[in-house]
Amino acid sequence: AQSVTQPDIHITVSEGASLELRCNYSYGATPYLFWYVQSPGQGLQLLLKYFSGDTLVQGIKGFEAEFKRSQSSFNLRKPSVHWSDAAEYFCAVGAAAGGYNKLIFGAGTRLAVHP
Amino acid sequence: DAGVIQSPRHEVTEMGQEVTLRCKPISGHNSLFWYRQTMMRGLELLIYFNNNVPIDDSGMPEDRFSAKMPNASFSTLKIQPSEPRDSAVYFCASSFQGGTGELFFGEGSRLTVL
Repeated sequence: AQSVTQPDIHITVSEGASLELRCNYSYGATPYLFWYVQSPGQGLQLLLKYFSGDTLVQGIKGFEAEFKRSQSSFNLRKPSVHWSDAAEYFCAVGAAAGGYNKLIFGAGTRLAVHP
Repeated sequence: DAGVIQSPRHEVTEMGQEVTLRCKPISGHNSLFWYRQTMMRGLELLIYFNNNVPIDDSGMPEDRFSAKMPNASFSTLKIQPSEPRDSAVYFCASSFQGGTGELFFGEGSRLTVL
């Protein structure tokens, strides 16, 4: 069965520091992979997505993620974190079921940013 | 373009009352998803529709929950009777099947059952 694991529940970084959020997936075929961000009281907003091609994908707000098939990973990175990046981040894998696509989400990683 | 629209944004009700949450998907999208988010269980997929037809309702917690999609621009999630453990944020999302499955989320309906 398809699944997504985000090993880190909470991460705290200092403003200006680099960031890496981990995501591992389990899926039999080539996956569609997504990162979403959720600010308090808001819905989920798409940061970036991977479907095929270049394994390093760029997203909004200066985020990028790298797909590594050998490690079944899709880690999210940002070279310099801003205080406004404090939010919860969700990794998701697109899973085909009965001919229809749905997303399986990880448990999320809550990011805190120290000034 | 308008995104996914959910109402109400906040609902406070008493145990035993009926609750109806509403969703208007993005025009042109043919799939609609209802998720529930809680601290304990994270994001749970409750049910999803394709072309207004329910495809998978295996995530619906029990018979007190029901969802309908009478047309392409409207869906409801109903809880009857409501219980305190139903307190959560309920998200609606839509997508275009035939694409890559990217979901567009509404801002959610926060339900509190006293």
